[in-house]
Amino acid sequence: AQSVAQPEDQVNVAEGNPLTVKCTYSVSGNPYLFWYVQYPNRGLQFLLKYITGDNLVKGSYGFEAEFNKSQTSFHLKKPSALVSDSALYFCAVRDMNSGNTPLVFGKGTRLSVIA
Amino acid sequence: SQTIHQWPATLVQPVGSPLSLECTVEGTSNPNLYWYRQAAGRGLQLLFYSVGIGQISSEVPQNLSASRPQDRQFILSSKKLLLSDSGFYLCAWSPGHITDTQYFGPGTRLTVL
Repeated sequence: AQSVAQPEDQVNVAEGNPLTVKCTYSVSGNPYLFWYVQYPNRGLQFLLKYITGDNLVKGSYGFEAEFNKSQTSFHLKKPSALVSDSALYFCAVRDMNSGNTPLVFGKGTRLSVIA
Repeated sequence: SQTIHQWPATLVQPVGSPLSLECTVEGTSNPNLYWYRQAAGRGLQLLFYSVGIGQISSEVPQNLSASRPQDRQFILSSKKLLLSDSGFYLCAWSPGHITDTQYFGPGTRLTVL
């Protein structure tokens, strides 16, 4: 079975400081990993994904994520947070061995950037 | 480019009334289609997904059903709504390869009174 965990319900960070939103996963094969952002009353927007290759993935709006196979993690990072980054963030996984099945999502982490 | 539409954007329905939410995708063919529900602005619950016309997989037993009458159209229905059906309903699509991203529509806010 495949699963993903986002251990923090809420992350608070001051504007201009670096931010990290944590994600760990569990799969039987190799993972395909995704990050999404959701603003209030909107659909999820795709930020970035890891399929293979370089462990550091760069995405939209200055976000990046680092795939760490030994720690089974895929944390989302940004060097300098903006107030406009305040939103709900979802990590998702699909196991390479699961076939073309729907993504499995974490419960989400609410990011609050304080001016 | 591909776009995904959902309507209506908001809906207020009485308990026991029927429901029909529609999702359409433009600019692609034979997409995988998904219905999710999000309660209280948090986690996503996968309700149904479809890999082709007439092919529907149900993830949770409940009073909702889904249909795919056309290649790029996905409909979520209920014969009698419950209070617990209130939530934010999201449709998504993906091209169909295992590495593909799922792309979400704008959502429908359903309130059952």
